[in-house]
Amino acid sequence: RKEVEQDPGPFNVPEGATVAFNCTYSNSASQSFFWYRQDCRKEPKLLMSVYSSGNEDGRFTAQLNRASQYISLLIRDSKLSDSATYLCVVNRRNFNKFYFGSGTKLNVKP
Amino acid sequence: DGGITQSPKYLFRKEGQNVTLSCEQNLNHDAMYWYRQDPGQGLRLIYYSQIVNDFQKGDIAEGYSVSREKKESFPLTVTSAQKNPTAFYLCASRFATGQGADGTEAFFGQGTRLTVV
Repeated sequence: RKEVEQDPGPFNVPEGATVAFNCTYSNSASQSFFWYRQDCRKEPKLLMSVYSSGNEDGRFTAQLNRASQYISLLIRDSKLSDSATYLCVVNRRNFNKFYFGSGTKLNVKP
Repeated sequence: DGGITQSPKYLFRKEGQNVTLSCEQNLNHDAMYWYRQDPGQGLRLIYYSQIVNDFQKGDIAEGYSVSREKKESFPLTVTSAQKNPTAFYLCASRFATGQGADGTEAFFGQGTRLTVV
C-alpha cells in the first residue's frame, strides 16, 4: 500500500466553484502534513501546512482527520490561477523522509 | 536572498555518459533530498542526507550516486547504470527533525530536466 494516496483527477470546475481534495496516509505515526502546489513544469511550492486543529488561509482551508488518516484541502471561490496540481505530503516525527502523493490536478475554467 | 539553486536547468546526456546535477542551498538546512518526477507522476525519492558526510538511499537509488562534503551542497550523479534517466530532477532541503524543528516544510530548487539523446 502506498504511504500517501490521492485521487489524480482532473477536477474540472468553473470559476467561483468550491472544490475539495482528500488525501489518505497509511502510517499512523505520520506527524506532519502539508499541501504543496505544483504548476506545469515547475517545482512544488508550499501552499500550507496542516495543523491538528485545522487551518485557513484566505480561500484555502486544510483539515486533518487522524482517526481516519486523511487530510483535506478546500478551495473556495476558485480562480483561473488556482489551476495546478496539488500534492499531499506527510512526514513522520524524527524521520527525515517526506512522502508525496502523486498529486491531484485541478483545472478551473472560465 | 536565501534559497536553493539547481543547475543546469536543462541537461542533455548521451547514452553511456555520467552526468552530475548541482544543488546548493544557503538556508542553513541540514537535510537535503533528491527526487525524480516523471510526466504525470508524483515525486520519488532517490537519496537524502541529514548531515554532512552522511546520506541514505531512497526508494529508487539504483543508478545514482551522491556526496555531501559540505552542508550547502548535495550533488547528484546520474550514472550510465541508470537505464531510463530522462526525467525532471528536484532537489529540496529543510531543517532536520529532532533539531527543534519538527514539521518544517521542504523548499525546492527549480529543477533540472535531464534528457538522454
